[in-house]
This record gives sequence, C-alpha cells and structure tokens, in this order.
Amino acid sequence: EAQVTQNPRYLITVTGKKLTVTCSQNMNHEYMSWYRQDPGLGLRQIYYSMNVEVTDKGDVPEGYKVSRKEKRNFPLILESPSPNQTSLYFCASSIQGPRGEQYFGPGTRLTVT
Amino acid sequence: DAKTTQPTSMDCAEGRAANLPCNHSTISGNEYVYWYRQIHSQGPQYIIHGLKNNETNEMASLIITEDRKSSTLILPHATLRDTAVYYCIVPMDSNYQLIWGAGTKLIIKP
Repeated sequence: EAQVTQNPRYLITVTGKKLTVTCSQNMNHEYMSWYRQDPGLGLRQIYYSMNVEVTDKGDVPEGYKVSRKEKRNFPLILESPSPNQTSLYFCASSIQGPRGEQYFGPGTRLTVT
Repeated sequence: DAKTTQPTSMDCAEGRAANLPCNHSTISGNEYVYWYRQIHSQGPQYIIHGLKNNETNEMASLIITEDRKSSTLILPHATLRDTAVYYCIVPMDSNYQLIWGAGTKLIIKP
C-alpha cells in the first residue's frame, strides 16, 4: 500500500531534550516536506526537500533541522525543543514536487512541557 | 500569508451538492489552484487542482472563473463523511510552495 508513515504518532517530552520524528514514504517520491499545524490554523511549512541531499527552509524553520540522505526518509529533528513547538506535525511527499498531488502522513502530536 | 480567501464555515444537507467558494484575486497567470481537505486532525487529502479550465475527478469538480480570480469546489452529492476542513491553496511565487490558510469548515447535516 502506498503510504507515508510517521513515528512516533504521539510524543510528550520536556524542554531541551533532543528528539527526532521520522518520516518514510514507499512511493519513490522525490519531494518531501514537513508542516506544523496549530489550533484553528492551516498548515505551515517547516522544511522541504526537492530530492536527495537538497533541502530548503519553509516559512517556520527556526528550531528545526532536517536531513535527506536517502529518497524514502526525511526525519525532522528538534535539537532543543521548547513549549512553543508543541504542535501537530505532518510529513508529505509528492512525485511532482509541490505542484503535484501531495500524500500526507497521519501526523505526530508533540507536546513539550 | 495565504493568497486565498474562504468562508470560515458552511453547512450542507446530506445528498445535496456542496459548493465551496474561494477568492484568489492576486493569482498570476501560471499558478494553479489546489484543493485539499482535512478530516478531523488526520493528514490532509488531495482533492483536485486546476489552472484555467474546469476540472472533474471522482471526488469533485473545480470551476474556475474566466478571470481566474475565484473558483468553486463542488462535491456533487455530499455525504456525512465529507464533513471536513477544505483548503483552497495557491502557491507562493518565489518557490512554488503551497501556502495554507485556515480553510472552510464544511459540515454535512443529515
């Protein structure tokens, strides 16, 4: 089944404790992206990757890192999480970049205390 | 900021056509209009996109005005499962990434 998977789905952590949210897709898509969603708002893009080893900042990259060492995986790294990074995170992928149909993961709900 | 304007919420009776409007008056000539929906807090789901001509797929129809300043997403026979937030999106000029607004919360009523 074609899908985007994220792990973990739920995470409660403390300020300053490094964490990684994994994202993997099995559709051989070049493009991958990370978004965050806060209550009542649409998605805001954190980082995106047009292909392997190529990443770029989205609208809200501060406090986040990404890497794209292989096509299928695009992990999101929070080196020192803070409470304002409490949010719902989505990973997405597309075969045609942002112009094509984007497939989204199920989301990761992160709480930083 | 999002380049689109949508109603905050709408209701529609089950079985009727749901018509969701979107204004994108600053759209440029080569930008597509994209529609996604999000059911509760699940990952968004792609619906349809178009440039100038009307588009139809198994989920919906997209009607774009001739001046391309607005569009309407039509769900022809709405069901309760169509209750969701619907996002109308136009990409940023600079890097073609999608800018998401708050969308329209569509409630389908029995």
